[in-house]
Amino acid sequence: EAGVTQSPTHLIKTRGQQATLRCSPISGHTSVYWYQQALGLGLQFLLWYDEGEERNRGNFPPRFSGRQFPNYSSELNVNALELEDSALYLCASSSWGHTNSPLHFGNGTRLTVT
Amino acid sequence: AQKVTQAQTEISVVEKEDVTLDCVYETRDTTYYLFWYKQPPSGELVFLIRRNSFDEQNEISGRYSWNFQKSTSSFNFTITASQVVDSAVYFCALSPPHSGGGADGLTFGKGTHLIIQP
Repeated sequence: EAGVTQSPTHLIKTRGQQATLRCSPISGHTSVYWYQQALGLGLQFLLWYDEGEERNRGNFPPRFSGRQFPNYSSELNVNALELEDSALYLCASSSWGHTNSPLHFGNGTRLTVT
Repeated sequence: AQKVTQAQTEISVVEKEDVTLDCVYETRDTTYYLFWYKQPPSGELVFLIRRNSFDEQNEISGRYSWNFQKSTSSFNFTITASQVVDSAVYFCALSPPHSGGGADGLTFGKGTHLIIQP
């Protein structure tokens, strides 16, 4: 069974640009979560999608957005990049409907903003 | 509000030593879930264990064991006879009583960087 896959592995952008990160969940998983892991700040919840809809978002500005496609893959978009957006962005998937099923994480996309 | 504290930022031990990673949590929920994840240098978070707040039994899985004490709001993780491959960052996490990891998302501690020296 293929795990959660994320692309690209690394992404380098300049301040003000837009970044698009992609995630494919484990087959059969309908929920996708995005987390930001910035140096010194630990893992911060960003967004949660299920069945194509945004279910909840963390304490991040609106320039962090995303969507989930009919095949349950997901995209995270970060507009007007700032230097502090440099971080490892982790995607996770789980089976909605199973109480607190563990999240399965991908390897992440390391975004560097210069 | 939920909070997870992993007071140990970094621990370094010599191979074959036992090591315990501490986790203390805060929540107002009467039911909740606790997790431990391992993050090796590759970056992927690997699920290790999930514990329901109703179940205070300790759990052992090979060299790994977990001690859940509701009275002290702690969920500590012990590695017995540590190996170099155990070197990683370990995260403790807390989830409210919702499906799929929590509608508010898992609350993670800041992690403990475990270094096992050969």
